[in-house]
Amino acid sequence: GAVVSQHPSWVICKSGTSVKIECRSLDFQATTMFWYRQFPKQSLMLMATSNEGSKATYEQGVEKDKFLINHASLTLSTLTVTSAHPEDSSFYICSARVVGDREGGETQYFGPGTRLLVL
Amino acid sequence: QKEVEQNSGPLSVPEGAIASLNCTYSDRGSQSFFWYRQYSGKSPELIMFIYSNGDKEDGRFTAQLNKASQYVSLLIRDSQPSDSATYLCAVMGYTGNQFYFGTGTSLTVIP
Repeated sequence: GAVVSQHPSWVICKSGTSVKIECRSLDFQATTMFWYRQFPKQSLMLMATSNEGSKATYEQGVEKDKFLINHASLTLSTLTVTSAHPEDSSFYICSARVVGDREGGETQYFGPGTRLLVL
Repeated sequence: QKEVEQNSGPLSVPEGAIASLNCTYSDRGSQSFFWYRQYSGKSPELIMFIYSNGDKEDGRFTAQLNKASQYVSLLIRDSQPSDSATYLCAVMGYTGNQFYFGTGTSLTVIP
């Protein structure tokens, strides 16, 4: 399957700072990437859909000015958590849409995730 | 109504038994169906996909799809303790622009 990487894997920061998380498709081009957040023992929550060269589409309840998404190239999407607070501490996971890697259509592959702890 | 529904479990089976995980979906026009495995503290990993009615086998895993009943399942034969994880069902909608994930079923295989 396709490989998606994330960097960093762990972030610890002080309240009020901004944190940037990178999501890269390593062996394919991804016109669409997704950003999810997962709190402990809870299910995945889609935050936004990131499309290369255009503005991201945010899910209801997700503040676009708080979670800035930039998909400037076909292999890189970034999520910046601005002015992070302790309640933003979570597991952030990106995924990439891959088209044509299997019979029948497209698939979504996940990065390894980034754990954010805001003190 | 949620797009994709799964029994949250937890589901416990003894080692060597068959684990059966179930998923229903609401969009009758859905095209493709996926099963992801998520170990605690890790991101989801794709293990199976199916898009035609019937069964699809891959090693110890069998995915079953019944579009008329809007039902997809995952069978794990000869369950191993290493299969203990949360299994997420995902459905690709008719337009292909959205994946819908279930909340996951927690499986524990008891040695």
